[in-house]
Amino acid sequence: AQSVTQPDIHITVSEGASLELRCNYSYGATPYLFWYVQSPGQGLQLLLKYFSGDTLVQGIKGFEAEFKRSQSSFNLRKPSVHWSDAAEYFCAVLLYGGATNKLIFGTGTLLAVQP
Amino acid sequence: DAGVTQSPTHLIKTRGQQVTLRCSPKSGHDTVSWYQQALGQGPQFIFQYYEEEERQRGNFPDRFSGHQFPNYSSELNVNALLLGDSALYLCASSLSGWDEQYFGPGTRLTVT
Repeated sequence: AQSVTQPDIHITVSEGASLELRCNYSYGATPYLFWYVQSPGQGLQLLLKYFSGDTLVQGIKGFEAEFKRSQSSFNLRKPSVHWSDAAEYFCAVLLYGGATNKLIFGTGTLLAVQP
Repeated sequence: DAGVTQSPTHLIKTRGQQVTLRCSPKSGHDTVSWYQQALGQGPQFIFQYYEEEERQRGNFPDRFSGHQFPNYSSELNVNALLLGDSALYLCASSLSGWDEQYFGPGTRLTVT
């Protein structure tokens, strides 16, 4: 069955430190992958997406993610975290084909940023 | 260009009641998907509407129903509310096919 796993429920980093959030997926076809960010009480904002091509994708707010097919992973990274990055981050895979077009989300990683 | 809008922002209902949530898609989008996000969880797919018909459905009971209007806006209806229906309900719009989905701010439903 298709699924997305985010192994880290909660991560705390210091402001200015680097960040890596892990995401593993299970999907038989070529995956279309996304990272979304959600601030408290808010909807989801798209950070970046991978459809094809270069496996290192750049997103908004200085985030990037690398698609590794051999590891079924799509980890999110940022070289220097800002206090405003504190939020919940969701990885998702798009199931598609025929009449299918739906996102499967992971359970999220809650990021806290220490001053 | 207005993004995806949802109304109301917050809603409090009693068990057994019925509720209707509304969504207007991003300009140019013709497909609307609904997701339920329980506290501390990722969003779960409820169903998707395209050309005024339900195109696909997730693992939700028939108490959850929807509608799409000719202007592509959509409603989510939930009958016989249960305490477990308390969640953030997110609407997402996209172009037909497998284009990326844009999310609205959500409607926070509390069932007491």
